[in-house]
Amino acid sequence: DGGITQSPKYLFRKEGQNVTLSCEQNLNHDAMYWYRQDPGQGLRLIYYSQIVNDFQKGDIAEGYSVSREKKESFPLTVTSAQKNPTAFYLCASTDAHQATNEKLFFGSGTQLSVL
Amino acid sequence: LAKTTQPISMDSYEGQEVNITCSHNNIATNDYITWYQQFPSQGPRFIIQGYKTKVTNEVASLFIPADRKSSTLSLPRVSLSDTAVYYCLVGRFYNQGGKLIFGQGTELSVKP
Repeated sequence: DGGITQSPKYLFRKEGQNVTLSCEQNLNHDAMYWYRQDPGQGLRLIYYSQIVNDFQKGDIAEGYSVSREKKESFPLTVTSAQKNPTAFYLCASTDAHQATNEKLFFGSGTQLSVL
Repeated sequence: LAKTTQPISMDSYEGQEVNITCSHNNIATNDYITWYQQFPSQGPRFIIQGYKTKVTNEVASLFIPADRKSSTLSLPRVSLSDTAVYYCLVGRFYNQGGKLIFGQGTELSVKP
């Protein structure tokens, strides 16, 4: 089945530790996204990538880093500089080349908590 | 970027029709209007998308007036399983250079 896979489902971070969230898609989409969701809040854009080897900062990029070395993969690293990392993280992708019917496909999310 | 405004929450009862309105005064000429549904601890999923007038699928209808400054998602005969957060997303990939921003969403609670 085609889709987006996020792993792990739950992740715990210790003080001063960097952690990496995985996002893989087999939809052959060029564009990929990372959103952060806090309890009772909407989705806030962290980073996005329109194409391989290129990515841009979203509205809340501080304390996060990404890479896009392969079309199907867009890992997110939560660095020790992110002082409040506890949140639900969502990865998404879209086929930006469709003439009509643009839509985002989301993974099932990773819940990150601080120990 | 088109800023969207939705009610924070709505309540309904099973079997009723629910209409959720999204305001987007600065929508660009060729922006799409797309609605997503999100259940707790899951990723949002696409419900419906439109450009102008009315669109209907097996799940919902989307009404868009001529000036396109607002849109209304209509859910017919809701059930308890429609309890979720609904997001209106206005934009188009190349209009925003790929930057797609969500609003706060509307939390719909369906009661028996």
